[in-house]
Amino acid sequence: EELLVESGGGLVQPGGSLRLSCVGSGFYWMHWVRQAPGKGLVWVSRINSDGTTTSYADFVKGRFTISKDNAKNTLFLQMNSLRVEDTALYYCARGGYCTNGFCPPDYWGRGTLVTVSS
Amino acid sequence: QSVLTQPPSVSGTPGQRVTISCSGSSSNIGGSNVYWYQQFPGTAPKLLIYRNNQRPSGVPDRFSGSKFGTSASLAISGLRSEDEADYYCAAWGDSLSGYYVFGTGTKVTVL
Repeated sequence: EELLVESGGGLVQPGGSLRLSCVGSGFYWMHWVRQAPGKGLVWVSRINSDGTTTSYADFVKGRFTISKDNAKNTLFLQMNSLRVEDTALYYCARGGYCTNGFCPPDYWGRGTLVTVSS
Repeated sequence: QSVLTQPPSVSGTPGQRVTISCSGSSSNIGGSNVYWYQQFPGTAPKLLIYRNNQRPSGVPDRFSGSKFGTSASLAISGLRSEDEADYYCAAWGDSLSGYYVFGTGTKVTVL
């Protein structure tokens, strides 16, 4: 089975930026989902297979941007104006079992940890 | 963008049947298929149920899903020790824009 490998996480100060990558995205719908330590899953964003449509959770709108480079088989999440509450393990997930053109998260990567702290 | 509500925990003895509820609204579960994920500590989630009641290949038929209006449930029959994990329901929050919403999560404990 194809792998999804996230990278780009790390320690950043509040107000800073990070760019996450996920290799293995292919020509699929892709999602970013995050999980704060000891907490539940929270959906962040998604992008369709050709990158023409995106959607975001309200708490990241205007701060995060999802994109993908199908030629490089890579998904990105540009995160700006980071807040302490953005601290979490960020998973990329491939969309599958599509219905009416919408593809929910199916296969997941292992995640990359983002820590926002001064 | 509201969250779907699940009980924090459910428990059962081996062989028992347990159910996990997932409560939403007309803007999410009421207008969407429901999905269920299983997550063991320190690992990535795994899709357990899609389109309300369909199981991906390899998922035991002990797991079953159902949807009723703005609620859904996951049943685990013949509970086994290896079923001890966190379970999350999910649904589309908006059929037009395609944002997704997860439930609050339920910890299943096998006594």
